Amino acid sequence: DAGITQSPRHKVTETGTPVTLRCHQTENHRYMYWYRQDPGHGLRLIHYSYGVKDTDKGEVSDGYSVSRSKTEDFLLTLESATSSQTSVYFCATQRGDRIQETQYFGPGTRLLVL
Amino acid sequence: GDSVTQMEGPVTLSEEAFLTINCTYTATGYPSLFWYVQYPGEGLQLLLKATKADDKGSNKGFEATYRKETTSFHLEKGSVQVSDSAVYFCALGGNGNQFYFGTGTSLTVIP
Repeated sequence: DAGITQSPRHKVTETGTPVTLRCHQTENHRYMYWYRQDPGHGLRLIHYSYGVKDTDKGEVSDGYSVSRSKTEDFLLTLESATSSQTSVYFCATQRGDRIQETQYFGPGTRLLVL
Repeated sequence: GDSVTQMEGPVTLSEEAFLTINCTYTATGYPSLFWYVQYPGEGLQLLLKATKADDKGSNKGFEATYRKETTSFHLEKGSVQVSDSAVYFCALGGNGNQFYFGTGTSLTVIP
């Protein structure tokens, strides 16, 4: 268990408003990831980070931005939320860059965009 | 590119029945393979993993063998319990430090 917390755990917002989700980890893992989970799609990668200030896009990055100013925190921002961004968002961490490393997941954030 | 395909659900079994959830993969290089489990309202937890061909991962009575010749990593359990009811995800850890997940298979075990 990588000691991953996500906040908020639930959020309801309106279309067009900005939203920021926070992921915090206590294990000093280098890699951090944001996924969204939707029925029929499994988990899809939004963005990931391979170090402080080092981030890259995933499969479904449009409409999202991220920042990582400290090893332990990885923020996901929806600049202007849309109904299509209603989803469950999971943060994950990975200790190193070896292929056999496990990813550890947070409890998730349920976001509803009205 | 890398990808994972797993059998669609939902799957409903009686307690003590045999479980198989199929997973096949496409990958360049030599990926690691994982099974994750998600209980209602929770995040994903690692169930088992295998990091090279012919490795068998096992945990809590679940097993999966990394078969390079058939590009498969099927999940099996000899006797399921009600507490095994969850969604199961097959995943591939490939190049570029990215994971690729299947769409998930929902399992319900009835007493």
